[in-house]
Amino acid sequence: EPEVTQTPSHQVTQMGQEVILHCVPISNHLYFYWYRQILGQKVEFLVSFYNNEISEKSEIFDDQFSVERPDGSNFTLKIRSTKLEDSAMYFCASSRISRGTDTQYFGPGTRLTVL
Amino acid sequence: GESVGLHLPTLSVQEGDNSIINCAYSNSASDYFIWYKQESGKGPQFIIDIRSNMDKRQGQRVTVLLNKTVKHLSLQIAATQPGDSAVYFCAENTNTNAGKSTFGDGTTLTVKP
Repeated sequence: EPEVTQTPSHQVTQMGQEVILHCVPISNHLYFYWYRQILGQKVEFLVSFYNNEISEKSEIFDDQFSVERPDGSNFTLKIRSTKLEDSAMYFCASSRISRGTDTQYFGPGTRLTVL
Repeated sequence: GESVGLHLPTLSVQEGDNSIINCAYSNSASDYFIWYKQESGKGPQFIIDIRSNMDKRQGQRVTVLLNKTVKHLSLQIAATQPGDSAVYFCAENTNTNAGKSTFGDGTTLTVKP
């Protein structure tokens, strides 16, 4: 069964450093998402992406965040200058179609620790 | 603002019993609801979904009930097994939000052998 993959599984960085989290969505999916989950809290939407542009973003997704699909398979989340409060699990998800009519499949997540 | 929440943060059941996990949502425009299971250290795993034109949907050992009148969603797990122990989240989407899922707070289900 196809699945979403994410790398690395754990990323440790110093405050102020840039990090890039990598995702490979399911190959025939067209919509891509990033969510985050602070330890012990609920999953929060960050951004959705379709046709090489952002479809929607939350208030969390400020100017420090960016997303990119650099080639036909990867989908990345960049945090330009990490803060302590960026420490969380970051989940990538993908779906065939959007608008609440198709299942989103989540990757295993990247644990980001900002020191 | 919109929110999706769960009534109980924890639920403990005996193996073999049925489990019921509840969820209340506040956005009356929500038209698609999903239950996810999240095991420790893993991403949310799709369990079952339901659209707003339905009030019940059954899967393998799971049933989701939707009551739009009171904006309530429930997940029933039949014959709960130790492998069902996890955190369960409800989430809601609307047709106008580009697929964004709004998650509830989560209920931790513990199955005692």
